Amino acid sequence: NAGVTQTPKFQVLKTGQSMTLQCAQDMNHNSMYWYRQDPGMGLRLIYYSASEGTTDKGEVPNGYNVSRLNKREFSLRLESAAPSQTSVYFCASSEEGRQFSSYNSPLHFGNGTRLTVT
Amino acid sequence: GEDVEQSLFLSVREGDSSVINCTYTDSSSTYLYWYKQEPGAGLQLLTYIFSNMDMKQDQRLTVLLNKKDKHLSLRIADTQTGDSAIYFCAESGRDDKIIFGKGTRLHILP
Repeated sequence: NAGVTQTPKFQVLKTGQSMTLQCAQDMNHNSMYWYRQDPGMGLRLIYYSASEGTTDKGEVPNGYNVSRLNKREFSLRLESAAPSQTSVYFCASSEEGRQFSSYNSPLHFGNGTRLTVT
Repeated sequence: GEDVEQSLFLSVREGDSSVINCTYTDSSSTYLYWYKQEPGAGLQLLTYIFSNMDMKQDQRLTVLLNKKDKHLSLRIADTQTGDSAIYFCAESGRDDKIIFGKGTRLHILP
């Protein structure tokens, strides 16, 4: 049982290049998320998908696009990478996106992709 | 807006208790979480507490919740070198999202 799997683990891009970060979960979770983690900033939500077929912007969506390919997979695309996008990117999933009053739905994280844009 | 605040650093001697504090703003939060992040890894759920509880104990971990003051704490008894990590407080906020603090880096002194 792998949980949340992210690829690649490391990536170096030149400014203007594009790439897609892949994420897959095998827990049959409905909701998936992309976060970035920067020193002193904590975790910031880029995009999320509450259920298959839906995606919504988070706190810092500019410069990114996402695709919820199916229930298992949620990819993050950088169309034209910029040095400000140098960060560690985490994918996460949860059983439900909605925080119902009686429902405990914590996030399960992948191990991250360390991206450097030069 | 919603916000979760926690101090950035804590140093504790091995064998002592560590207490990591957190304050949050959303009084409608249903669940509050503590996550642990070890170097080079993702966040791992450590424990959680439901908002109608004021304490939860799980082996060496004790979570205290003061809902009136919107204050959450995590106590780690008998702190070990393996407890060295970044600890994130998080609340289940409005708009179906979990809001994280910036994390507290726990450093263990020999």
